Amino acid sequence: DTAVSQTPKYLVTQMGNDKSIKCEQNLGHDTMYWYKQDSKKFLKIMFSYNNKELIINETVPNRFSPKSPDKAHLNLHINSLELGDSAVYFCASSQGGQDRDQPQHFGDGTRLSIL
Amino acid sequence: QKEVEQNSGPLSVPEGAIASLNCTYSDRVSQSFFWYRQYSGKSPELIMSIYSNGDKEDGRFTAQLNKASQYVSLLIRDSQPSDSATYLCAVGGGYQKVTFGTGTKLQVIP
Repeated sequence: DTAVSQTPKYLVTQMGNDKSIKCEQNLGHDTMYWYKQDSKKFLKIMFSYNNKELIINETVPNRFSPKSPDKAHLNLHINSLELGDSAVYFCASSQGGQDRDQPQHFGDGTRLSIL
Repeated sequence: QKEVEQNSGPLSVPEGAIASLNCTYSDRVSQSFFWYRQYSGKSPELIMSIYSNGDKEDGRFTAQLNKASQYVSLLIRDSQPSDSATYLCAVGGGYQKVTFGTGTKLQVIP
């Protein structure tokens, strides 16, 4: 019954590899997000999709590519992993709206460690 | 660049006291304000959302918003050790673009 689920929870891999993180929400929300939380605990928006359309694309290396096959799923693919990519990546979802932002519901996070 | 500022803390309060957490923001047109709690190693969880000036109460939590001063706060009454966590202030200006502060670490001392 998890509302926002991410897989995997932990990802340990070598520098230079390519990896993907998957996210699914069963809340019926139409907006999904990817955040990166670094070692200093700063939560920074990376991407946001509304009904499969990219609406937020922050300054992120183009090695990071999001993909939303439908409004309940948002995946994140990372090419050529670097040491600086080590962080916790959170997926979140909310109901969309142009005027009033709605609260976001977060997944449990994917802890990515680059060796 | 929209900014959301919080004192990183730690803010230490004795059990049973009122904890006061503060947040200022730079974008005058911000319309949506949220407080999230994040326990160590866990994901952020919503405590309160507030959209209008004034106070909003939910159990032991009260959010206060003053748009003229660009200031939002969270009061926790009768603080419990289980309230020890990092509290994140988040501010939105519409279109689901929400900016998070760096968080204030709260320690409730038994």
